[in-house]
Amino acid sequence: DQQVKQNSPSLSVQEGRISILNCDYTNSMFDYFLWYKKYPAEGPTFLISISSIKDKNEDGRFTVFLNKSAKHLSLHIVPSQPGDSAVYFCAATFRMDSNYQLIWGAGTKLIIKP
Amino acid sequence: ETGVTQTPRHLVMGMTNKKSLKCEQHLGHNAMYWYKQSAKKPLELMFVYNFKEQTENNSVPSRFSPECPNSSHLFLHLHTLQPEDSALYLCASSQGDGYQPQHFGDGTRLSIL
Repeated sequence: DQQVKQNSPSLSVQEGRISILNCDYTNSMFDYFLWYKKYPAEGPTFLISISSIKDKNEDGRFTVFLNKSAKHLSLHIVPSQPGDSAVYFCAATFRMDSNYQLIWGAGTKLIIKP
Repeated sequence: ETGVTQTPRHLVMGMTNKKSLKCEQHLGHNAMYWYKQSAKKPLELMFVYNFKEQTENNSVPSRFSPECPNSSHLFLHLHTLQPEDSALYLCASSQGDGYQPQHFGDGTRLSIL
């Protein structure tokens, strides 16, 4: 049972338009969410994160929105650029006792068309 | 020089071989991780070391054996692997726990014949 789901395996967006990547989760104990980006033959790189006490976090062209009641978060990229073509992973974490759980989604491949 | 370096980048081995994957981080982090990424599946966290002490072992088969001699180096010793173990193995490090962003290496692509 996947606790973090990225239901779209791929997404194609025109350059200059907005890209919206979605992520759903089932565990209400998650209190921190992160987005990573991965190019082929490279490891994932951290993009942006959000705490569960917030509903929005913005960093340049990237904005993450969190809807706790719907257990849904989204990553907005605007304007989309060719270099944004990559696989995007959503991850969620919570602490239990002295340990923490970090659960990843399966990723969404974003393709930016020129 | 990248912050997290993994060697080798590619490894092909038979089921009876013994090999080791190496990870080194140059970021001064205190936590290191091994992940497995199979095609079209989420990253699976295998092992976590915090200050050289193993804090997580997510029911990984004993044919995978981690070693963390210091906070900068992490090994994954492989023995008697199965074809389904073919995957991309990623190492990561962070300063602290899962609330801190992790820095990943570029991975080792492992193929079991």
